[in-house]
Amino acid sequence: QSALTQPASVSGSPGQSITISCSGSSSDVGAFNYVSWYQQHPGKAPKLIIYDVSNRPSGVSNRFSASKSANTASLSISGLQAEDEADYYCSSYTTSRVWLFGGGTKLTVL
Amino acid sequence: QVQLQESGPGLVKPSGTLSLTCTVSGGSISSNNWWSWVRQAPGKGLEWIGEIFHSGDINYNPSLKSRVTMSLDKSKNHYSLKLSSVTAADTAIYYCATYYESSGYRFDYWGQGTLVTVSS
Repeated sequence: QSALTQPASVSGSPGQSITISCSGSSSDVGAFNYVSWYQQHPGKAPKLIIYDVSNRPSGVSNRFSASKSANTASLSISGLQAEDEADYYCSSYTTSRVWLFGGGTKLTVL
Repeated sequence: QVQLQESGPGLVKPSGTLSLTCTVSGGSISSNNWWSWVRQAPGKGLEWIGEIFHSGDINYNPSLKSRVTMSLDKSKNHYSLKLSSVTAADTAIYYCATYYESSGYRFDYWGQGTLVTVSS
């Protein structure tokens, strides 16, 4: 199974909003509501920011939101802040009982 | 809350076997968690390696399955990864991660990661 498809990079100015897409198939993203998103700052472990397509763990800013349509999931960040600059990864459980990650998207806050 | 800590050699010779352990604290390895390994090559994305349940159920990444062995030790509250016939392409930060199946499918907790370099 191939990795989920994400744009390599996105950018935005402070205060703006951005969206990162995550494209999969009917065997992964489209099969279950088990899409999650992770934020990773340089030299750090990934941190869960969205689970089950659109739910935020306790402590994660409500500036982060996400959704899914068919085989594509999306992560949106509103009111961009400098601290949001990081790599973002989507992930999905699959019908084959394996996990897939996206290739990662580097967010630059201009 | 669960804490995970990876340990093992930071340097492995080509064609050798990479061996890592993830020690679990703040929880029991016999709980209904799936215990996973995820790796990240330098400058690259995340790659899931496999997961193990306390019952012994195991799922592996098909692309690595022929070289991977995972196990867990309930007495030591840790689980392990062995990756055989390593090459430079296996150089990566190896993370352990876990999720509680009853709560849903996402990696709630991660270790800090350990860098393993494959080189002679």
